[in-house]
Amino acid sequence: AQSVTQPDIHITVSEGASLELRCNYSYGATPYLFWYVQSPGQGLQLLLKYFSGDTLVQGIKGFEAEFKRSQSSFNLRKPSVHWSDAAEYFCAVGPTTNDMRFGAGTRLTVKP
Amino acid sequence: DVKVTQSSRYLVKRTGEKVFLECVQDMDHENMFWYRQDPGLGLRLIYFSYDVKMKEKGDIPEGYSVSREKKERFSLILESASTNQTSMYLCASIPGGYSPNQPQHFGDGTRLSIL
Repeated sequence: AQSVTQPDIHITVSEGASLELRCNYSYGATPYLFWYVQSPGQGLQLLLKYFSGDTLVQGIKGFEAEFKRSQSSFNLRKPSVHWSDAAEYFCAVGPTTNDMRFGAGTRLTVKP
Repeated sequence: DVKVTQSSRYLVKRTGEKVFLECVQDMDHENMFWYRQDPGLGLRLIYFSYDVKMKEKGDIPEGYSVSREKKERFSLILESASTNQTSMYLCASIPGGYSPNQPQHFGDGTRLSIL
């Protein structure tokens, strides 16, 4: 069965600084990979997804993620963080989108 | 846009009560899911449903049941609520069939407290 690890429980960055959130997965084949964002009191919103093809995927709100098969990773990046990016971020993996497993989440704090 | 609506944002119940959490989606999706979200554990799947009256256990079904009498509605039932079921509950939906490119769409969640 697939599993997901987000090593960082909490990250603090300054506004305008770059951001990288880590995600490592365990799965026998190339899975479907997702990043979701959850603002306080809200449900999960899809940021981006990877199924195949170009390993660098662009998402909404200026986020991107890179699939690295050799490292079993799918890290999320943003060149310049805005205060409104403060939220919790979840990586998810699955053989199909009917069968996904979510990481524990990384909470992002943005300092002024 | 897909709209997944969970009937309550906050709910407070007592130990031993029977609790119903309701979820409705407006996109004629076949597949619906119930997750619970706890700090440090992420989202864990409780139950999912592929069609009306169809249900499958997820990773943590103990203490829960579900009902899918209509395609648009998926209910999560706590038969006898306990304090360890205090959590955030999230509902999601997705089109049916083999739809690998379709991400799950989530409701805003119900924060349930069992006293």
